[in-house]
Amino acid sequence: DQQVKQNSPSLSVQEGRISILNCDYTNSMFDYFLWYKKYPAEGPTFLISISSIKDKNEDGRFTVFLNKSAKHLSLHIVPSQPGDSAVYFCAAGGGSNYKLTFGKGTLLTVNP
Amino acid sequence: DVKVTQSSRYLVKRTGEKVFLECVQDMDHENMFWYRQDPGLGLRLIYFSYDVKMKEKGDIPEGYSVSREKKERFSLILESASTNQTSMYLCASSLHPAGWDQPQHFGDGTRLSIL
Repeated sequence: DQQVKQNSPSLSVQEGRISILNCDYTNSMFDYFLWYKKYPAEGPTFLISISSIKDKNEDGRFTVFLNKSAKHLSLHIVPSQPGDSAVYFCAAGGGSNYKLTFGKGTLLTVNP
Repeated sequence: DVKVTQSSRYLVKRTGEKVFLECVQDMDHENMFWYRQDPGLGLRLIYFSYDVKMKEKGDIPEGYSVSREKKERFSLILESASTNQTSMYLCASSLHPAGWDQPQHFGDGTRLSIL
């Protein structure tokens, strides 16, 4: 069973507009969440994270929102740039387990 | 900056061979991980290690083993390679304990093809 779900395999937006990537989780034991960006033929790069005690974390153009009651988080990119085109993975971790559980990823394409 | 180095970017091996994938990190991280990435399946954890000579199975350990003799080095071993092990393999490391402020850092991956 998938504990971390990214239901949109792909998303296309215009340059300068907002990109919103969504992620849902089922395991209540998760207490932190991360977003990674991955270009083809490269490893994932850490983007931004959030602890479950917060509902928002911001870093420049990137903001992550967490809704614990809905078990939902989202990544907002404003404004979107063509260089943001990549696969974005949502990941969750928690408890004494060192593991991260990843979603299947969303391919973001930002059109000039 | 954290540097996680995987020994090969591309590797081609034959069915039945014993294959070694090497990973080295330079940040004195306690935790190290091996994942595989397949289209439509995301990243799946094979094995991880939280200390020298310690290892734990991830979600898909069958057909694999690991070795961690030194803190900076984590090796993935395919005991007898099969075609369904053709994949992108990713190594990662992190400080301990893991958390929102201690993310995993990844290498660039090894694209392994088993013929």
